[in-house]
Amino acid sequence: AQKVTQAQTEISVVEKEDVTLDCVYETRDTTYYLFWYKQPPSGELVFLIRRNSFDEQNEISGRYSWNFQKSTSSFNFTITASQVVDSAVYFCALSEVLNTDKLIFGTGTRLQVFP
Amino acid sequence: GAGVSQSPRYKVAKRGQDVALRCDPISGHVSLFWYQQALGQGPEFLTYFQNEAQLDKSGLPSDRFFAERPEGSVSTLKIQRTQQEDSAVYLCASSLRSGLEILNTQYFGPGTRLTVL
Repeated sequence: AQKVTQAQTEISVVEKEDVTLDCVYETRDTTYYLFWYKQPPSGELVFLIRRNSFDEQNEISGRYSWNFQKSTSSFNFTITASQVVDSAVYFCALSEVLNTDKLIFGTGTRLQVFP
Repeated sequence: GAGVSQSPRYKVAKRGQDVALRCDPISGHVSLFWYQQALGQGPEFLTYFQNEAQLDKSGLPSDRFFAERPEGSVSTLKIQRTQQEDSAVYLCASSLRSGLEILNTQYFGPGTRLTVL
């Protein structure tokens, strides 16, 4: 069965701290995609990154970086030098090519960055 | 360019009323998805369209929920005889095309917050 687990319900940090959000997934498919979305207080889900199951290269985009490890079925997200504007709920999601690409979301991690 | 739009943004209904929620996807996007997000939870899949064809409705919680996309662009999610457990945010997302990398990223609208009294 497909499942995404985000064990961290809420994380609080002080500005400029680094923070890592964990994501563990389960799937039977060999071809799948992993996503991270940000949901700020306004409510709209903002796409951050997509990764396919055949590409385990880590990715860095500015202060954001992602670590994909198939061996542990994890797709973790690190924010370096966090800022107050990073405060939001972050969702990890899985989609399977053979399953209409519908997204299976985790329960989200609420990140609060204090000044 | 314009993103996914949804209307209304907020809807209050009395139990037993019917409601209709509208989604306007990004122009040219073939795939359209509806999700339901309960308070404090992640979004959950409801249904999926490719153009006007509803290819997956496995997530619709009951036969009171009905979705359509008659001309392959705008979609409407209808809930009949609303119940209190239907209270949630209903999110619409669209993508260029499902099943193909690069094209399958879903972009979300702001959602409709439905409150059933």
